[in-house]
Amino acid sequence: DSGVTQTPKHLITATGQRVTLRCSPRSGDLSVYWYQQSLDQGLQFLIQYYNGEERAKGNILERFSAQQFPDLHSELNLSSLELGDSALYFCASSPGGMTDTQYFGPGTRLTVL
Amino acid sequence: AQKVTQAQTEISVVEKEDVTLDCVYETRDTTYYLFWYKQPPSGELVFLIRRNSFDEQNEISGRYSWNFQKSTSSFNFTITASQVVDSAVYFCALSESFPYGNNRLAFGKGNQVVVIP
Repeated sequence: DSGVTQTPKHLITATGQRVTLRCSPRSGDLSVYWYQQSLDQGLQFLIQYYNGEERAKGNILERFSAQQFPDLHSELNLSSLELGDSALYFCASSPGGMTDTQYFGPGTRLTVL
Repeated sequence: AQKVTQAQTEISVVEKEDVTLDCVYETRDTTYYLFWYKQPPSGELVFLIRRNSFDEQNEISGRYSWNFQKSTSSFNFTITASQVVDSAVYFCALSESFPYGNNRLAFGKGNQVVVIP
């Protein structure tokens, strides 16, 4: 158990809908990262937050957004969902430094029908 | 351009055999970090090992060992005396500060390891 929690574990929804994925980092960690794992793209970095502020953006679509709250939990919002958004979404956390190891949560499997 | 290449897609071994996973990376950074993560069938990503670019000493941790060679940009990972529980997908990942200024991870496509009892 990495100490990172993600809810829900599974999510099934329809095209055009909006969903919210939630992540709680390890105790004491200030950085939260979101990654997407799909069959065609593999594991890709989406976005990073550090202590409530956006620090870096990767291959995140405009339909996707995220935020980190004062209690350091983070939410990834996916809207106008398409079939191609079906993937495993991981959250990872680290203390916050540039050299930190990232510890991953169990992931949320999103299926868009 | 792919930053991390894991050429072997699926590797099958008989239990108790050793298995070595190859990873080749590409970076312009002088300070970077390399990782191996394991993804068992249950789906979670488990951190295994980490190596920084300025320490080329190879190490052994239990049944895991790794061979980091900066000259060939390779970071290979070996499981000794494999067990059925080692069956998983193994990902090599690179963290570099240039050009992004943060330690986002760039992952390879993974090696599916199947240990046959």
